[in-house]
Amino acid sequence: DVKVTQSSRYLVKRTGEKVFLECVQDMDHENMFWYRQDPGLGLRLIYFSYDVKMKEKGDIPEGYSVSREKKERFSLILESASTNQTSMYLCASSTGGALRETQYFGPGTRLLVL
Amino acid sequence: TQLLEQSPQFLSIQEGENLTVYCNSSSVFSSLQWYRQEPGEGPVLLVTVVTGGEVKKLKRLTFQFGDARKDSSLHITAAQPGDTGLYLCAGAGNTPLVFGKGTRLSVIA
Repeated sequence: DVKVTQSSRYLVKRTGEKVFLECVQDMDHENMFWYRQDPGLGLRLIYFSYDVKMKEKGDIPEGYSVSREKKERFSLILESASTNQTSMYLCASSTGGALRETQYFGPGTRLLVL
Repeated sequence: TQLLEQSPQFLSIQEGENLTVYCNSSSVFSSLQWYRQEPGEGPVLLVTVVTGGEVKKLKRLTFQFGDARKDSSLHITAAQPGDTGLYLCAGAGNTPLVFGKGTRLSVIA
């Protein structure tokens, strides 16, 4: 059974803190993605990676960075958390060289920045 | 920029009713995926339609891909409370998947 896990289901942080969100997949997938999901705005792509140490900006990369040191792990970093980064963060992975393949999502991390 | 418009945004119906959700774009996609997201979970793939005009059935759910591969619909027959959730369409091409904003369905017993 395919599995994408995220390090925390709920997280509360203070403005200005550095925040790490971890995602691990056990399917040997090449592609990994980070989204944020907000009411009325849908899923918005922050960053994605198609290989170890490779990263590409999505639609809303500002205020975020990512790290992919191992194939199975993709980390999202909020360098200095702000209240407008309060959101649900979803990680996903997919197989193959094409980005059109089915995405398998983790359960999400609900982040609250105070 | 490719966009997918989903309608309606919200839908609240009684158990046993039928409903249709629409996913429209001005762009052509190589395939169209439908996901369902339940509260507190990530989206899960329901189906992928690939060929223009294709119709796929998944029990009481019928998915159709438009002839021009720009639009898709999801029809649910005799909705049940277990169908409650957020339905997302996603267009596939040469870029990462393009997601619609979703239709939030509530089926009341």
